[in-house]
Amino acid sequence: AQSVTQPDIHITVSEGASLELRCNYSYGATPYLFWYVQSPGQGLQLLLKYFSGDTLVQGIKGFEAEFKRSQSSFNLRKPSVHWSDAAEYFCAVAPSGGSYIPTFGRGTSLIVHP
Amino acid sequence: SQTIHQWPATLVQPVGSPLSLECTVEGTSNPNLYWYRQAAGRGLQLLFYSVGIGQISSEVPQNLSASRPQDRQFILSSKKLLLSDSGFYLCAFNGYTFGSGTRLTVV
Repeated sequence: AQSVTQPDIHITVSEGASLELRCNYSYGATPYLFWYVQSPGQGLQLLLKYFSGDTLVQGIKGFEAEFKRSQSSFNLRKPSVHWSDAAEYFCAVAPSGGSYIPTFGRGTSLIVHP
Repeated sequence: SQTIHQWPATLVQPVGSPLSLECTVEGTSNPNLYWYRQAAGRGLQLLFYSVGIGQISSEVPQNLSASRPQDRQFILSSKKLLLSDSGFYLCAFNGYTFGSGTRLTVV
């Protein structure tokens, strides 16, 4: 079975600073990988996903993530954070074959200081 | 385009009352459908998923049940709500597209 670890419960950055949110996964083969953002009281919005191919994935809202097989990681990055990026971020992993059931990390809460 | 609709957005129900949350999908056929629950400050817990009409798999035994009466309709139900059923319920299709969620408070 797959698993996901988001080691940081909270991350605080200043507006305009760069951001990296960490995600490590455990899965026997190359998985499908996802990053979501959730604002308070809202559903989950898909930022980006990786299925195969180029390991650097571009998403919406200026986010990108890089799949590193050797490190079993899929870290989310943004070069310059805006105050509106303050939210909860979830990483998820799903098996690349068979029954498609994703497993989610516990989430990282992003706080943005003006 | 593919869209997912979930209602109601918020719900306050007394303990012991029944529950019915509905999720519908448009723009796709035979989708995989999922119900998740998110407790305050925690990640998502998969409750049920369905790969077709009448096909329901339960991930966590509990006070809830799910049904899929039509291809693009997924319903989460309970006969008698418990306080511990409070939470944020999310429907998803194809595993990675989510509805806007229902905030359920059991009082």
